[in-house]
Amino acid sequence: ETGVTQSPTHLIKTRGQQVTLRCSSQSGHNTVSWYQQALGQGPQFIFQYYREEENGRGNFPPRFSGLQFPNYSSELNVNALELDDSALYLCASSFWTGDRFYGYTFGSGTRLTVV
Amino acid sequence: DAKTTQPPSMDCAEGRAANLPCNHSTISGNEYVYWYRQIHSQGPQYIIHGLKNNETNEMASLIITEDRKSSTLILPHATLRDTAVYYCILRSGGSNYKLTFGKGTLLTVNP
Repeated sequence: ETGVTQSPTHLIKTRGQQVTLRCSSQSGHNTVSWYQQALGQGPQFIFQYYREEENGRGNFPPRFSGLQFPNYSSELNVNALELDDSALYLCASSFWTGDRFYGYTFGSGTRLTVV
Repeated sequence: DAKTTQPPSMDCAEGRAANLPCNHSTISGNEYVYWYRQIHSQGPQYIIHGLKNNETNEMASLIITEDRKSSTLILPHATLRDTAVYYCILRSGGSNYKLTFGKGTLLTVNP
């Protein structure tokens, strides 16, 4: 069974640019969440997708958007990058039956640096 | 905001038990206590979770007080590879399963 894989592992972008980060969920998982982790802080919830629809969002502006695909892979898109967007972005997948939730499996993250 | 309070750091000798405390005095009846850990530059790793009964798995034990206002994660025989930041998290049910992380406890296991 494969785990959660994220790409790329590291990325450097310029302020104002757009970026797309990718995540391949663990086999059999139907839920994916994205988290932002600034240096020295715990991860902060960005949003969650279940069956290709967003069903939860944290305190992040609309320039943070996402997609979940039928094969349960997903993307995180960030427009108009700001210096404060520099962080480790984590993808986490899980399986939800509707009445029972199974714990998240996290990927190793994408380290984004905005200069 | 995180609803849990943890000490910022703890030390433990290799081979001894590591006991990591967590206070969650405002926990509600449907909230589970989850523990994750994060080794430097990796994603968080699930350790254990519980609602009100004590739980044990191959990695750790979770002791939850009867009033559920605090809990303790126990690593029975700490190794150097257990050095990590440990997060105690409350998670409620429903369709939004977000995890609200605090700053966690940096556990350093010393030789």
